[in-house]
Amino acid sequence: DIQMTQSPSSVSASVGDRVIITCRASQDVSSWLAWYQQKPGKAPSVLIYGASRLQGGVPSRFSGSGSGTDFTLTISSLQPEDFATYFCQQSNSLPLTFGGGTKVEIK
Amino acid sequence: QLQLQESGPGLVKPSETLSLTCSVSGGSINTDSYSWGWIRQPPGKGLEWIGNIRSSGTTYTNPSLKSRVTASVDTSMNQFSLRLSSVTAADTAVYWCATYTRAQRFFAYWGQGTLVTVSS
Repeated sequence: DIQMTQSPSSVSASVGDRVIITCRASQDVSSWLAWYQQKPGKAPSVLIYGASRLQGGVPSRFSGSGSGTDFTLTISSLQPEDFATYFCQQSNSLPLTFGGGTKVEIK
Repeated sequence: QLQLQESGPGLVKPSETLSLTCSVSGGSINTDSYSWGWIRQPPGKGLEWIGNIRSSGTTYTNPSLKSRVTASVDTSMNQFSLRLSSVTAADTAVYWCATYTRAQRFFAYWGQGTLVTVSS
């Protein structure tokens, strides 16, 4: 199985801050990497797929980069509605696997 | 836009079988564009992929659960189902059904999730 390691596990930030979350795969996943946002009590929703493709309707302050084993999700200017938990997920090979999550909290 | 809704018992006894159904609306389940997946999340923990099924009935299952998982699809009812046998407390989780886009390989649409508790 491909292990997905996210860092940090949590981050405290203020509105307007730039936040960067990293995800490292234990093996090459090419660009088959998606990022999801999850709010308490809700299902995850996709932000980024294909490592860098913004899902329709997602604000442009979210961006993704990377390929191979190292990926980043950047929130350029944190908004109040962005306080949530973020997960990466690889789909290069089965079983599909998720990172452990990064909780973005209010500073 | 597709909508998914899980249904099934919220409480299952240890050693019994967990059964969930996902009803799909807003589109046909009989498409090659998507496969239909199950993901779970134990309370306070991360996400675990359980498996996907295509409308043809082809299944893809997490090896960690493979011996206990049975997935099926009913195209006439626009539903797909999950059975997980021999459950233990470790299977207590929120279970989601979701649509997996085969071309872009991500979960695009999710149900609202259902909490299943394994307890006697």
